[in-house]
Amino acid sequence: EAGVTQFPSHSVIEKGQTVTLRCDPISGHDNLYWYRRVMGKEIKFLLHFVKESKQDESGMPNNRFLAERTGGTYSTLKVQPAELEDSGVYFCASSQDWEGSPQHFGDGTRLSIL
Amino acid sequence: QKEVEQDPGPLSVPEGAIVSLNCTYSNSAFQYFMWYRQYSRKGPELLMYTYSSGNKEDGRFTAQVDKSSKYISLFIRDSQPSDSATYLCAMSLGYQLIWGAGTKLIIKP
Repeated sequence: EAGVTQFPSHSVIEKGQTVTLRCDPISGHDNLYWYRRVMGKEIKFLLHFVKESKQDESGMPNNRFLAERTGGTYSTLKVQPAELEDSGVYFCASSQDWEGSPQHFGDGTRLSIL
Repeated sequence: QKEVEQDPGPLSVPEGAIVSLNCTYSNSAFQYFMWYRQYSRKGPELLMYTYSSGNKEDGRFTAQVDKSSKYISLFIRDSQPSDSATYLCAMSLGYQLIWGAGTKLIIKP
């Protein structure tokens, strides 16, 4: 069974540019999550999808971040325009459809804003 | 005050030693308790997953939860150099995971 896959593994862009991160969850997992770790800090929750619906986006930092999950399969996280403080590692996770179900993570996208 | 406290280390022990990793937490609403292992440039990998107070064993790993003290532990027996990684505790609040800072563990051959 394929795990959670994320693309790209690393992205370097300049401040003000746009970047789109992609996540493919484990097949059959309705729940999809985005998390972020900035340097020196703990991993923080960004948002949670159930199928194509946003269930909780309380962790999204501001309106420069837009997450979508069209068709309830893969998800994208767009940052537009990127700011220096957006640098960090963005992780995607997926889980089965009950609260507390173990979350399985991808290897993350390392985002560097110059 | 952070919701989950975890000593970042590094913790360095000789091969074969028993390792003890710990987290404390402040929110009694946390429901599930997890330990993840993370190698450099990789994502967190789920190691242990528990719900109630008590012990859960899986091979060389034992997870312990004490809800009355708001304290969780991970024990690694017969530690190997391949166990060298960062170990993160995480706790669920609804569907969200709340994370500790991670402890960097080094097993010396």
